[in-house]
Amino acid sequence: QVQLQESGPGLVKPSQTLSLTCNVSGGSISRGGYYWTWIRQHPAKGLEWIGNIYYSGNTYYNPSLKSLPTISIDTSKNQFSLELNSVSAADTAVYYCARTRQDILSGKGYFDLWGQGTLVTVSS
Amino acid sequence: QSVLTQPPSTSGAPGQRVTISCSGSNSNIRSNIVNWYQQLPGTAPKLLMYSNNQRPSGVPDRFSGSKSGTSASLAISGLRSEDEADYYCGTWDDSLKEYIFGGGTKLTVL
Repeated sequence: QVQLQESGPGLVKPSQTLSLTCNVSGGSISRGGYYWTWIRQHPAKGLEWIGNIYYSGNTYYNPSLKSLPTISIDTSKNQFSLELNSVSAADTAVYYCARTRQDILSGKGYFDLWGQGTLVTVSS
Repeated sequence: QSVLTQPPSTSGAPGQRVTISCSGSNSNIRSNIVNWYQQLPGTAPKLLMYSNNQRPSGVPDRFSGSKSGTSASLAISGLRSEDEADYYCGTWDDSLKEYIFGGGTKLTVL
């Protein structure tokens, strides 16, 4: 079955770039109808959707985020990535990658598979 | 403060039925599907209910979802200790142009 696994540094200094990768195993990231998503959860708080990417490279980001993320996809490696520039302590969170069924912009999308999450702490 | 409002906590005894509400507006719940996610302690969220009332494979039929107007509900019957978790509703918001989550409800099984 399809599984997702996040990887990346657990500690990032303020003003630097946060970079995470999600490896997808057990299925092709290029399969149509699925979108690939990043979601984060601040400590002891709720969930925040960051953005989506399709295998074609089309992206959509949460317009409420203070700093615009960059989500990219590498179909040859079956993985997708997240970059957040100029991070601050407010970006400290557990970051999850997830698979989205249907286009989230259609209002019919949902996150049907999640990675285990990775904690990223922003601190000097 | 979340656009979708959930009670911060609820509780019930084993075997009882509990309901978790999710209140929104015309631009989100009324217009789009509602999904529910279960987060067991120390784990990642998991899809519990999608498209208002559809259970993914493997989710017991003790869990049910409904939607009416600008509100949605998740009901859990025959409460079990393993149901103790945080529950989040989520949907797309046409005005904000983003996917939004409720603040989460912590379910305690007494």
